[in-house]
Amino acid sequence: AQTIHQWPVAEIKAVGSPLSLGCTIKGKSSPNLYWYWQATGGTLQQLFYSITVGQVESVVQLNLSASRPKDDQFILSTEKLLLSHSGFYLCAWSSDWGGEQYFGPGTRLTVL
Amino acid sequence: GDSVTQTEGQVALSEEDFLTIHCNYSASGYPTLFWYVQYPGEGPQLLFRASRDKEKGSSRGFEATYDKGTTSFHLRKASVQESDSAVYYCALSVSNTNKVVFGTGTRLQVLP
Repeated sequence: AQTIHQWPVAEIKAVGSPLSLGCTIKGKSSPNLYWYWQATGGTLQQLFYSITVGQVESVVQLNLSASRPKDDQFILSTEKLLLSHSGFYLCAWSSDWGGEQYFGPGTRLTVL
Repeated sequence: GDSVTQTEGQVALSEEDFLTIHCNYSASGYPTLFWYVQYPGEGPQLLFRASRDKEKGSSRGFEATYDKGTTSFHLRKASVQESDSAVYYCALSVSNTNKVVFGTGTRLQVLP
């Protein structure tokens, strides 16, 4: 069975500080990977997707970047956090191009 | 562009009531449609998907039929339970892309 793990569970950071969030998928070879952002009470906004190691596509610009250093790992980062980065960050994977997605437990980010 | 419209932001029902959440979409290609459910503090979970006209998806007593003519994928359940209280998202992915668009979500509250 596939499992998806996100870290950290929650972060409280200062405006202007750097950020790195991680996601690992076990039990699935060569998954499509995704990052989403969800404002409190809001919908899910797709940020990035990746279909293979080293290749990441940006869907929306939010002063964030993503990388896929290994087949089972997806990293979301920024050099300087903004207040608007607060929210819930979700990693997801799928088997198929545009198929159903399986979400991780999420990371709650608060920027002060 | 590709979009999903959920007309109900919040729905409050009593147990055993009938549920309908409306979902209409606009897609530039051939979409696959999804319903996801999200419980507080968790990532969304897939309920079901449909990718062909008149295809019906169902799970846990919920069902929806893909209607290409009316560009709709309305979620229905004959008899809701308190445990169904959650946020429900309609989503679409467009063929030949890895982009997924979520609706704004419908918060369902079922009172005992």
